[in-house]
Amino acid sequence: GQQLNQSPQSMFIQEGEDVSMNCTSSSIFNTWLWYKQEPGEGPVLLIALYKAGELTSNGRLTAQFGITRKDSFLNISASIPSDVGIYFCAGRNFGNEKLTFGTGTRLTIIP
Amino acid sequence: KAGVTQTPRYLIKTRGQQVTLSCSPISGHRSVSWYQQTPGQGLQFLFEYFSETQRNKGNFPGRFSGRQFSNSRSEMNVSTLELGDSALYLCASSLVPASDEQFFGPGTRLTVL
Repeated sequence: GQQLNQSPQSMFIQEGEDVSMNCTSSSIFNTWLWYKQEPGEGPVLLIALYKAGELTSNGRLTAQFGITRKDSFLNISASIPSDVGIYFCAGRNFGNEKLTFGTGTRLTIIP
Repeated sequence: KAGVTQTPRYLIKTRGQQVTLSCSPISGHRSVSWYQQTPGQGLQFLFEYFSETQRNKGNFPGRFSGRQFSNSRSEMNVSTLELGDSALYLCASSLVPASDEQFFGPGTRLTVL
């Protein structure tokens, strides 16, 4: 099935560092979502974006809906140990109710 | 309010067998979606049910099927299991179909030997 290209696949950072990840698609999307999944649990919605150029924050997390409508970005500022997990982007395009997910970015924080 | 529950949490089967997984949505949620999660492919949409009717279906073979009951609980079935069916199967519930506000369960880890 269709997939979104998410990068990087994994990140190893130190506590306190900022994190950036992105998601790109060959198709235009009208909705971008960002999820976080922790071990043994299902994904949890972090941020939803609905308009090209939109910048939305949720605490230390900030996500942007790319102007081309083919990409989205997630930034985490001043990372803390509980940020560890897998971050997924997901998109939905016009006329298609199904969500397409990225392959995930695994975030590890080095003590 | 209880979250989405999935049973069993872990399952080991052998090739050729069939398996049934269960999902109980959040109380009041009538839409249930199923996803397959594998390390290489990420989350792949299987199907979505609302009011006991399948509304959407992903690109999976007919061996994968599902249903929804009048109390909104849902089951998915995989027949003639293959090694490649080993995955985490996630269920998500929402108030209405195609909602961005969907809540995932912890998943059922299926291992096919």
